[in-house]
Amino acid sequence: TQLLEQSPQFLSIQEGENLTVYCNSSSVFSSLQWYRQEPGEGPVLLVTVVTGGEVKKLKRLTFQFGDARKDSSLHITAAQPGDTGLYLCAGAGQGGSEKLVFGKGTKLTVNP
Amino acid sequence: DTGVSQDPRHKITKRGQNVTFRCDPISEHNRLYWYRQTLGQGPEFLTYFQNEAQLEKSRLLSDRFSAERPKGSFSTLEIQRTEQGDSAMYLCASSQYASTGELFFGEGSRLTVL
Repeated sequence: TQLLEQSPQFLSIQEGENLTVYCNSSSVFSSLQWYRQEPGEGPVLLVTVVTGGEVKKLKRLTFQFGDARKDSSLHITAAQPGDTGLYLCAGAGQGGSEKLVFGKGTKLTVNP
Repeated sequence: DTGVSQDPRHKITKRGQNVTFRCDPISEHNRLYWYRQTLGQGPEFLTYFQNEAQLEKSRLLSDRFSAERPKGSFSTLEIQRTEQGDSAMYLCASSQYASTGELFFGEGSRLTVL
């Protein structure tokens, strides 16, 4: 059972455009992480959000955790080709489990 | 290099053979995780160690799979009698704190079963 739904699954945009990707669940998580993965590599942590309603900024990336801690969004301003990759959200703390549950990811391509 | 390292990076084997992957976590991390990732999917949890104790296992981890972390440092994941459906990227990650679940991943071991 996939507990985290990410949308869109694929996104291809031009350099300079803005975009938002979403991570939704019917379950509550104690925290949520966003990772970026490049082909043939492991995921790399971008940010962790813990508090409902929390907003974190990382340069041109803005992350938001939903008030009910069930969903999150990632907004990229003025996308660059270097932003190309697979963006994964992962939720923690379900039922006391130590494991992270990952979504399927959004594959982003930024064309020059 | 103080990151998580995995070996081998790539493994091609014939169906029915056994394979073993090794993971060396970040030295001060006491938690170690194995995940599996197939094409078009996010990582799927396989198992988790705190020090040398294996505390959680997924139902994905059939009896052909076994993982160990004998001294609480490096870990091995063995797959016996490999099947074509085992072809995937096997990712190891380590973590220091449980509360936020932040994982630091290795580059993965890609398995191809012919």
